[in-house]
Amino acid sequence: SQQGEEDPQALSIQEGENATMNCSYKTSINNLQWYRQNSGRGLVHLILIRSNEREKHSGRLRVTLDTSKKSSSLLITASRAADTASYFCATDPKGGNEKLTFGTGTRLTIIP
Amino acid sequence: EAQVTQNPRYLITVTGKKLTVTCSQNMNHEYMSWYRQDPGLGLRQIYYSMNVEVTDKGDVPEGYKVSRKEKRNFPLILESPSPNQTSLYFCASTVWGAYNEQFFGPGTRLTVL
Repeated sequence: SQQGEEDPQALSIQEGENATMNCSYKTSINNLQWYRQNSGRGLVHLILIRSNEREKHSGRLRVTLDTSKKSSSLLITASRAADTASYFCATDPKGGNEKLTFGTGTRLTIIP
Repeated sequence: EAQVTQNPRYLITVTGKKLTVTCSQNMNHEYMSWYRQDPGLGLRQIYYSMNVEVTDKGDVPEGYKVSRKEKRNFPLILESPSPNQTSLYFCASTVWGAYNEQFFGPGTRLTVL
């Protein structure tokens, strides 16, 4: 079953602009993770936010989590062509990683 | 280099011909998992393993088998592949426990004719 649903499904922006992607989920979580996937390749972990955290930063990435709304957002600032990829949120209900559930992803295209 | 490897990377086969996709990690991770990725459906977990000889079903286990005889290896077995198993498969591993990222292999693109 799909736990996370990303919005929008696809996003195109100019290089240098900020990109925001949203993730909604259905059940309670221990943590939420964001991954990036370049076309046809394996996923790469970007950032993890715990259920008791509201915001987290890593370089040009900013993640927020609102557990009352069961939603998260990923902001990429000052986008670059290399950021072109699909982005997935993944929810971990218990914290042990054994039942990580991925959303359907947002396809981000950065226009040079 | 720390990595998860999968073989083969590409495979075209016919219905009913048994196949095995291998997965190996060199990070001494306890936890390993298999996912399939289909357009519009994201990644769905097939099976996972918490440690040697410990495996459990994910969300879509039908038609698949796994084994975990060694810590580093977690092969995915399709005893009688069918066309609906045509997909992109990923193996992942992590240190068991909370707040740990999963490391993914490069993927295996399987086509069943």
